[in-house]
Amino acid sequence: DVKVTQSSRYLVKRTGEKVFLECVQDMDHENMFWYRQDPGLGLRLIYFSYDVKMKEKGDIPEGYSVSREKKERFSLILESASTNQTSMYLCASSFGGGNQETQYFGPGTRLLVL
Amino acid sequence: AQSVAQPEDQVNVAEGNPLTVKCTYSVSGNPYLFWYVQYPNRGLQFLLKYITGDNLVKGSYGFEAEFNKSQTSFHLKKPSALVSDSALYFCAVRDRGSTLGRLYFGRGTQLTVWP
Repeated sequence: DVKVTQSSRYLVKRTGEKVFLECVQDMDHENMFWYRQDPGLGLRLIYFSYDVKMKEKGDIPEGYSVSREKKERFSLILESASTNQTSMYLCASSFGGGNQETQYFGPGTRLLVL
Repeated sequence: AQSVAQPEDQVNVAEGNPLTVKCTYSVSGNPYLFWYVQYPNRGLQFLLKYITGDNLVKGSYGFEAEFNKSQTSFHLKKPSALVSDSALYFCAVRDRGSTLGRLYFGRGTQLTVWP
Protein backbone atom coordinates (compact mmCIF):
# COMPACT_ATOMS: atom_id res chain seq x y z
CA ASP A 1 0.00 0.00 0.00
CA VAL A 2 1.06 3.54 -0.70
CA LYS A 3 1.98 5.43 2.42
CA VAL A 4 2.15 9.19 2.71
CA THR A 5 3.16 10.52 6.10
CA GLN A 6 3.12 14.04 7.49
CA SER A 7 5.38 15.11 10.31
CA SER A 8 2.69 16.41 12.65
CA ARG A 9 -1.05 15.88 13.05
CA TYR A 10 -1.53 19.06 15.09
CA LEU A 11 0.66 22.14 15.30
CA VAL A 12 0.33 25.42 17.20
CA LYS A 13 2.55 28.33 16.19
CA ARG A 14 2.77 32.05 16.88
CA THR A 15 2.37 34.81 14.33
CA GLY A 16 5.68 35.55 12.61
CA GLU A 17 7.22 32.16 13.26
CA LYS A 18 8.77 30.16 10.43
CA VAL A 19 6.91 26.88 10.09
CA PHE A 20 8.02 23.69 8.36
CA LEU A 21 5.55 20.99 7.33
CA GLU A 22 7.14 17.77 6.16
CA CYS A 23 5.71 15.11 3.88
CA VAL A 24 7.27 11.76 3.00
CA GLN A 25 6.02 9.12 0.54
CA ASP A 26 7.36 5.60 0.16
CA MET A 27 6.22 4.69 -3.38
CA ASP A 28 8.85 6.42 -5.51
CA HIS A 29 6.23 8.85 -6.86
CA GLU A 30 7.40 11.65 -9.11
CA ASN A 31 4.60 14.10 -8.27
CA MET A 32 3.96 15.60 -4.87
CA PHE A 33 1.39 18.20 -3.85
CA TRP A 34 0.51 20.51 -0.98
CA TYR A 35 -3.10 21.59 -0.44
CA ARG A 36 -4.90 23.52 2.21
CA GLN A 37 -8.44 22.67 3.17
CA ASP A 38 -10.86 25.18 4.64
CA PRO A 39 -14.58 24.73 5.32
CA GLY A 40 -16.69 25.63 2.30
CA LEU A 41 -13.65 26.13 0.09
CA GLY A 42 -12.65 22.54 -0.53
CA LEU A 43 -9.04 21.76 -1.41
CA ARG A 44 -6.87 24.50 -2.81
CA LEU A 45 -3.51 23.71 -4.35
CA ILE A 46 -0.58 25.64 -2.89
CA TYR A 47 2.41 24.14 -4.70
CA PHE A 48 3.31 20.95 -6.48
CA SER A 49 6.47 19.27 -7.68
CA TYR A 50 6.94 16.85 -10.54
CA ASP A 51 10.59 16.05 -9.90
CA VAL A 52 13.41 16.64 -7.45
CA LYS A 53 14.23 20.34 -7.16
CA MET A 54 11.32 21.22 -9.46
CA LYS A 55 8.28 23.13 -8.26
CA GLU A 56 5.20 24.75 -9.71
CA LYS A 57 2.90 27.30 -8.12
CA GLY A 58 -0.64 26.25 -7.53
CA ASP A 59 -3.61 28.51 -6.99
CA ILE A 60 -2.62 30.09 -3.67
CA PRO A 61 1.19 30.18 -3.32
CA GLU A 62 1.43 33.55 -1.58
CA GLY A 63 3.04 33.29 1.84
CA TYR A 64 4.36 29.80 1.19
CA SER A 65 7.45 28.19 -0.27
CA VAL A 66 8.45 24.58 -0.86
CA SER A 67 11.52 22.40 -1.00
CA ARG A 68 12.11 19.08 -2.69
CA GLU A 69 15.70 17.97 -2.22
CA LYS A 70 14.91 14.25 -2.32
CA LYS A 71 12.30 12.41 -4.35
CA GLU A 72 10.46 11.05 -1.32
CA ARG A 73 10.24 14.30 0.65
CA PHE A 74 8.33 17.50 -0.03
CA SER A 75 8.40 20.31 2.51
CA LEU A 76 6.02 23.23 2.83
CA ILE A 77 7.42 26.36 4.48
CA LEU A 78 5.47 29.23 5.95
CA GLU A 79 8.08 31.98 5.96
CA SER A 80 6.27 34.13 8.52
CA ALA A 81 3.12 32.51 9.80
CA SER A 82 -0.05 34.57 9.95
CA THR A 83 -3.42 33.86 11.50
CA ASN A 84 -5.03 33.50 8.07
CA GLN A 85 -2.82 30.48 7.49
CA THR A 86 -4.64 28.57 10.20
CA SER A 87 -5.94 25.59 8.26
CA MET A 88 -5.74 21.88 7.53
CA TYR A 89 -2.75 21.09 5.29
CA LEU A 90 -2.81 17.98 3.15
CA CYS A 91 0.07 16.42 1.26
CA ALA A 92 -0.42 14.03 -1.67
CA SER A 93 1.69 12.11 -4.15
CA SER A 94 1.17 10.35 -7.49
CA PHE A 95 3.07 8.67 -10.30
CA GLY A 96 4.37 10.88 -13.07
CA GLY A 97 2.17 10.00 -16.02
CA GLY A 98 0.05 7.59 -18.01
CA ASN A 99 -3.04 6.31 -16.27
CA GLN A 100 -1.44 6.23 -12.85
CA GLU A 101 -2.85 9.59 -11.88
CA THR A 102 -4.41 8.66 -8.56
CA GLN A 103 -3.23 10.96 -5.81
CA TYR A 104 -2.62 9.41 -2.42
CA PHE A 105 -3.04 11.62 0.60
CA GLY A 106 -1.39 11.89 3.97
CA PRO A 107 -3.44 12.21 7.19
CA GLY A 108 -3.16 16.00 7.25
CA THR A 109 -1.66 18.58 9.61
CA ARG A 110 -4.04 20.87 11.42
CA LEU A 111 -2.16 24.14 11.97
CA LEU A 112 -3.29 26.83 14.37
CA VAL A 113 -1.50 30.18 14.20
CA LEU A 114 -2.05 32.39 17.24
CA ALA B 1 -9.94 26.03 -17.73
CA GLN B 2 -10.72 22.99 -15.62
CA SER B 3 -13.25 22.99 -12.84
CA VAL B 4 -15.56 20.79 -10.83
CA ALA B 5 -18.94 21.63 -9.35
CA GLN B 6 -20.61 19.75 -6.54
CA PRO B 7 -23.99 21.46 -6.43
CA GLU B 8 -25.02 20.15 -3.01
CA ASP B 9 -23.14 21.09 0.14
CA GLN B 10 -25.07 18.46 2.08
CA VAL B 11 -26.91 15.26 1.25
CA ASN B 12 -29.02 13.48 3.84
CA VAL B 13 -30.34 9.97 3.34
CA ALA B 14 -31.81 7.24 5.52
CA GLU B 15 -29.86 4.04 6.05
CA GLY B 16 -30.80 1.41 3.47
CA ASN B 17 -31.91 3.95 0.90
CA PRO B 18 -29.97 4.63 -2.29
CA LEU B 19 -27.69 7.66 -2.30
CA THR B 20 -26.41 9.97 -5.01
CA VAL B 21 -23.75 12.63 -4.68
CA LYS B 22 -23.63 14.87 -7.74
CA CYS B 23 -20.63 16.14 -9.67
CA THR B 24 -20.31 18.05 -12.93
CA TYR B 25 -17.07 19.05 -14.55
CA SER B 26 -15.53 21.30 -17.16
CA VAL B 27 -12.35 20.50 -19.08
CA SER B 28 -11.06 21.53 -22.47
CA GLY B 29 -10.36 17.95 -23.51
CA ASN B 30 -11.25 14.47 -22.30
CA PRO B 31 -11.29 13.97 -18.55
CA TYR B 32 -9.92 11.69 -15.94
CA LEU B 33 -12.45 11.74 -13.08
CA PHE B 34 -12.06 10.77 -9.44
CA TRP B 35 -14.01 10.44 -6.23
CA TYR B 36 -12.41 10.70 -2.80
CA VAL B 37 -13.85 10.37 0.70
CA GLN B 38 -12.70 12.09 3.87
CA TYR B 39 -13.60 10.97 7.37
CA PRO B 40 -13.31 13.46 10.24
CA ASN B 41 -9.75 14.62 10.96
CA ARG B 42 -8.33 12.33 8.28
CA GLY B 43 -6.77 12.72 4.86
CA LEU B 44 -8.61 11.90 1.65
CA GLN B 45 -9.06 8.30 0.63
CA PHE B 46 -9.37 7.27 -3.01
CA LEU B 47 -12.75 5.67 -3.89
CA LEU B 48 -12.80 5.24 -7.66
CA LYS B 49 -11.77 6.75 -10.96
CA TYR B 50 -12.85 6.91 -14.57
CA ILE B 51 -10.05 6.70 -17.11
CA THR B 52 -11.61 5.13 -20.20
CA GLY B 53 -13.93 2.33 -21.24
CA ASP B 54 -17.12 1.40 -19.43
CA ASN B 55 -19.03 4.46 -18.27
CA LEU B 56 -20.03 2.74 -15.03
CA VAL B 57 -17.12 2.53 -12.64
CA LYS B 58 -17.17 0.42 -9.51
CA GLY B 59 -15.06 1.33 -6.52
CA SER B 60 -14.45 0.70 -2.85
CA TYR B 61 -17.12 0.11 -0.18
CA GLY B 62 -19.87 -0.64 -2.74
CA PHE B 63 -19.74 2.78 -4.40
CA GLU B 64 -20.04 3.30 -8.12
CA ALA B 65 -20.09 6.29 -10.43
CA GLU B 66 -21.43 6.87 -13.91
CA PHE B 67 -19.58 8.95 -16.45
CA ASN B 68 -21.95 10.88 -18.71
CA LYS B 69 -20.07 12.77 -21.38
CA SER B 70 -23.07 14.59 -22.84
CA GLN B 71 -24.06 15.95 -19.42
CA THR B 72 -20.43 16.34 -18.27
CA SER B 73 -21.35 14.56 -15.05
CA PHE B 74 -19.82 11.92 -12.82
CA HIS B 75 -22.33 11.23 -10.05
CA LEU B 76 -21.41 8.95 -7.17
CA LYS B 77 -23.98 6.33 -6.22
CA LYS B 78 -24.60 3.52 -3.80
CA PRO B 79 -27.68 1.26 -3.85
CA SER B 80 -28.02 0.99 -0.07
CA ALA B 81 -26.50 3.58 2.25
CA LEU B 82 -24.84 2.75 5.59
CA VAL B 83 -24.45 5.02 8.60
CA SER B 84 -20.70 4.46 8.24
CA ASP B 85 -20.84 6.12 4.79
CA SER B 86 -21.33 9.47 6.52
CA ALA B 87 -18.33 11.56 5.46
CA LEU B 88 -17.18 14.37 3.19
CA TYR B 89 -16.97 13.43 -0.50
CA PHE B 90 -14.85 15.16 -3.12
CA CYS B 91 -15.02 14.91 -6.89
CA ALA B 92 -11.89 15.75 -8.92
CA VAL B 93 -11.00 16.11 -12.59
CA ARG B 94 -7.91 16.20 -14.74
CA ASP B 95 -7.65 16.95 -18.42
CA ARG B 96 -5.91 13.90 -19.89
CA GLY B 97 -4.19 16.19 -22.37
CA SER B 98 -2.40 18.03 -19.59
CA THR B 99 1.23 17.15 -19.05
CA LEU B 100 1.12 17.97 -15.37
CA GLY B 101 -0.54 15.65 -12.89
CA ARG B 102 -2.58 18.12 -10.90
CA LEU B 103 -6.22 17.50 -10.09
CA TYR B 104 -8.98 20.06 -9.71
CA PHE B 105 -11.28 19.37 -6.79
CA GLY B 106 -14.84 20.32 -6.06
CA ARG B 107 -15.76 21.95 -2.75
CA GLY B 108 -17.03 18.74 -1.28
CA THR B 109 -20.41 17.31 -0.28
CA GLN B 110 -21.16 16.31 3.29
CA LEU B 111 -23.10 13.05 3.28
CA THR B 112 -25.09 12.17 6.37
CA VAL B 113 -26.79 8.79 6.61
CA TRP B 114 -29.44 8.60 9.33
CA PRO B 115 -30.09 5.31 11.14
